Amino acid sequence: SYELTQPPSVSVSPGQTARITCSGDALPKQYGYWYQQKPGQAPVVVIYKDSERPSGIPERFSGSSSGTTVTLTISGVQAEDEADYYCQSADSSDTSHVIFGGGTKLTVL
Amino acid sequence: QVQLQESGPGLVKPSETLSLTCTVSGGSISSYYWSWIRQPAGKGLEWIGRIYIRKGTNYNPSLKSRVTMSVDTSKNQFSLNLSSVTAADTAMYYCARDAPRINLVPTYFADWGQGTLVTVSS
Repeated sequence: SYELTQPPSVSVSPGQTARITCSGDALPKQYGYWYQQKPGQAPVVVIYKDSERPSGIPERFSGSSSGTTVTLTISGVQAEDEADYYCQSADSSDTSHVIFGGGTKLTVL
Repeated sequence: QVQLQESGPGLVKPSETLSLTCTVSGGSISSYYWSWIRQPAGKGLEWIGRIYIRKGTNYNPSLKSRVTMSVDTSKNQFSLNLSSVTAADTAMYYCARDAPRINLVPTYFADWGQGTLVTVSS
């Protein structure tokens, strides 16, 4: 079955740049989406269509795509950015189905 | 912005059917695609399936044999039934509104309920 692969954890100091990758064979053809999930809360989309930022999401959140990898970049990381981040895309074998990456725990040191 | 609220039993016995309802406010149930997503404690997200009143349903292949979704337009609600549950079905269950499709391909989940915890145990 199709999978999206994320690193389990990323750690950065405040003010630094965090990059979280998500790899999958269908990503050259399908958009990637990113969610932030804080403890006890539902996920919130922070990037859609690889690099678009919804209204209300800080400008320090950005996204990019290259080949089979999409990347979430958080510039000038703040303590409040500590959370789990999930990528999501469409299943390459049936685009009506949804696939999530395994999630990345971002720790702000 | 659409608001969603899950409801249903918090405890289900093994082999029985898990039944949840999502009540939608701030938007018509007939206007959007609606999904269910679950998350076991400490683990990742799993899409269960979606329903759209004019197009029917799509289910996760791994759960398809046990999942049924329906819509009640009179109550602006949609529902999830998951049969023959086991402890592996213990999770936080979220309902969500799909964002508009791009070239007929589903995109992302724009609005989420707060989630409801379902435990499968005798």
